[in-house]
Amino acid sequence: GNSVTQMEGPVTLSEEAFLTINCTYTATGYPSLFWYVQYPGEGLQLLLKATKADDKGSNKGFEATYRKETTSFHLEKGSVQVSDSAVYFCALRGSSASKIIFGSGTRLSIRP
Amino acid sequence: DTEVTQTPKHLVMGMTNKKSLKCEQHMGHRAMYWYKQKAKKPPELMFVYSYEKLSINESVPSRFSPECPNSSLLNLHLHALQPEDSALYLCASSQNLGTATGRQETQYFGPGTRLLVL
Repeated sequence: GNSVTQMEGPVTLSEEAFLTINCTYTATGYPSLFWYVQYPGEGLQLLLKATKADDKGSNKGFEATYRKETTSFHLEKGSVQVSDSAVYFCALRGSSASKIIFGSGTRLSIRP
Repeated sequence: DTEVTQTPKHLVMGMTNKKSLKCEQHMGHRAMYWYKQKAKKPPELMFVYSYEKLSINESVPSRFSPECPNSSLLNLHLHALQPEDSALYLCASSQNLGTATGRQETQYFGPGTRLLVL
């Protein structure tokens, strides 16, 4: 079945550091891939998405590229801010499924 | 506007109480979802409604009863809950389920209702 694996947290970085959160997936067909962010005490917000191979999703300085050859969708940001501290969920939705499969989440903390 | 609203924001209830969670969207979406999220875990799907009809029930106990009175509203009725049901309950919506067209429709989430069962 479909599954998502993302790097264990917590990840702690200093402000302005480069961020990578790894995400790999297993799926049949052509899934859509997503990154959701959850700030403390809040619900999930869609951060970015990609719906086909080689698509790059981007938003608020974050980027992720849909790599079918490596079945990956790593999240990157060139210079993180304290306000980026949150939990980040990688997720996929299969081409014939209505449910989203979430990764376990990665907690990110940014030090001033 | 990609807003999904949920009320109440917080709810404390006893095991004998009956309460309801409400979710609303005005994006014209025809698929709506309930998720349960325990602390430090990803959301778990509970129910999916498509065109006001229940499409998926992920083997949720009958003490949780969903209702979709119209295309904009989704309720979750709670009765005789247990302390282990304490969690963040998230509502989401998407344009449709996407399976008929082969397109994958993005789900937009509300802020959640934080439920504590005593």
